[in-house]
Amino acid sequence: RKEVEQDPGPFNVPEGATVAFNCTYSNSASQSFFWYRQDCRKEPKLLMSVYSSGNEDGRFTAQLNRASQYISLLIRDSKLSDSATYLCVVKITNFGNEKLTFGTGTRLTIIP
Amino acid sequence: NAGVTQTPKFQVLKTGQSMTLQCAQDMNHEYMSWYRQDPGMGLRLIHYSVGAGITDQGEVPNGYNVSRSTTEDFPLRLLSAAPSQTSVYFCASSSSPGGREKLFFGSGTQLSVL
Repeated sequence: RKEVEQDPGPFNVPEGATVAFNCTYSNSASQSFFWYRQDCRKEPKLLMSVYSSGNEDGRFTAQLNRASQYISLLIRDSKLSDSATYLCVVKITNFGNEKLTFGTGTRLTIIP
Repeated sequence: NAGVTQTPKFQVLKTGQSMTLQCAQDMNHEYMSWYRQDPGMGLRLIHYSVGAGITDQGEVPNGYNVSRSTTEDFPLRLLSAAPSQTSVYFCASSSSPGGREKLFFGSGTQLSVL
């Protein structure tokens, strides 16, 4: 089983719709969670951290479910500019060593 | 601020050739790293550095060397290129050991080894 798994998509969603996708992780010792966004042929950029109580940043909501070991990203009122690949990232700290594991990404296309 | 500058953007090598990918950052970040990104796989860590003079191996270090003589620069050397090293390479930096997950990436190098 992969350490971090994402549905690769593609998710094709009409503009204005709400879309959500999940990311599951296998190591229960995982401590911190993040979503990165990567546009086609570009570098990844940090979108948001995921906090235990859930958090929002504008149209984006991130949630963590430790019991079921997954995080989610919800995008409301989707825009054409939201088209990108969304990478899930999990951090584990073990004896002072940090390890980041990236998912393979979920590709989202917003359709006009 | 330019952020993280990575060169070249594209490179084609023949098997056995060597080359250096350049990476520089102007944010005074202590932590710098190199990743490769392959289809169907997440970004994988090649090497990283927590400060000038300090480097360590990541998940997939074989076939690559790094050095960190200054805070700003972190070049990645391919010693003898192999087709398995065909990939997109990203350099990344972050401000502290406690915040390595808040990475700033360079624009990437697409490398093809024939």
